[in-house]
Amino acid sequence: DTGVSQNPRHKITKRGQNVTFRCDPISEHNRLYWYRQTLGQGPEFLTYFQNEAQLEKSRLLSDRFSAERPKGSFSTLEIQRTEQGDSAMYLCASSLRYEQYFGPGTRLTVT
Amino acid sequence: DQQVKQNSPSLSVQEGRISILNCDYTNSMFDYFLWYKKYPAEGPTFLISISSIKDKNEDGRFTVFLNKSAKHLSLHIVPSQPGDSAVYFCAASAFGGSEKLVFGKGTKLTVNP
Repeated sequence: DTGVSQNPRHKITKRGQNVTFRCDPISEHNRLYWYRQTLGQGPEFLTYFQNEAQLEKSRLLSDRFSAERPKGSFSTLEIQRTEQGDSAMYLCASSLRYEQYFGPGTRLTVT
Repeated sequence: DQQVKQNSPSLSVQEGRISILNCDYTNSMFDYFLWYKKYPAEGPTFLISISSIKDKNEDGRFTVFLNKSAKHLSLHIVPSQPGDSAVYFCAASAFGGSEKLVFGKGTKLTVNP
């Protein structure tokens, strides 16, 4: 399967802990996006990379969030000092031109 | 402010009939529009897209119509099949689709056998 992959698929953590998610995009895609989706809402943009450069960050991405894409390949999204409001599905997408292709997401539950 | 709106949270149709899902947008800078389909516990799956230079794009059973003057687009599924039952999201982007997507809240489609 050569689609977008995300790990882990599920993460349960206690409030205050740090978590890190990984996204592996489709290999030839140079753009990589992170979105967050909560119940009853559409995905909301968090940040995006073109190759290794982080080109835009949403105001949703507080100082507790950081994303990297070393060498322009896989990406990681880290949330420090998690809060219950961080509970959501975190989606990664990649694109080469116009259409973005999404991974299966990482479901984060903060207890 | 919600820049992309899907005003129908749900839609129910009979198998074989046409499903029409609607979407409105407010940002005049949007020039590329996409529809995604999502099953529970999975990521959105790309269905079909349309550039603002066109008013119609067709792919098999799926057709997207764009009315720029009304800032409205619709997705037609003909004929509808039970496997089409899912949540459908409308999304829009500016600058030819290379930028972030702005999504609506989705419409849950149920196709009854």
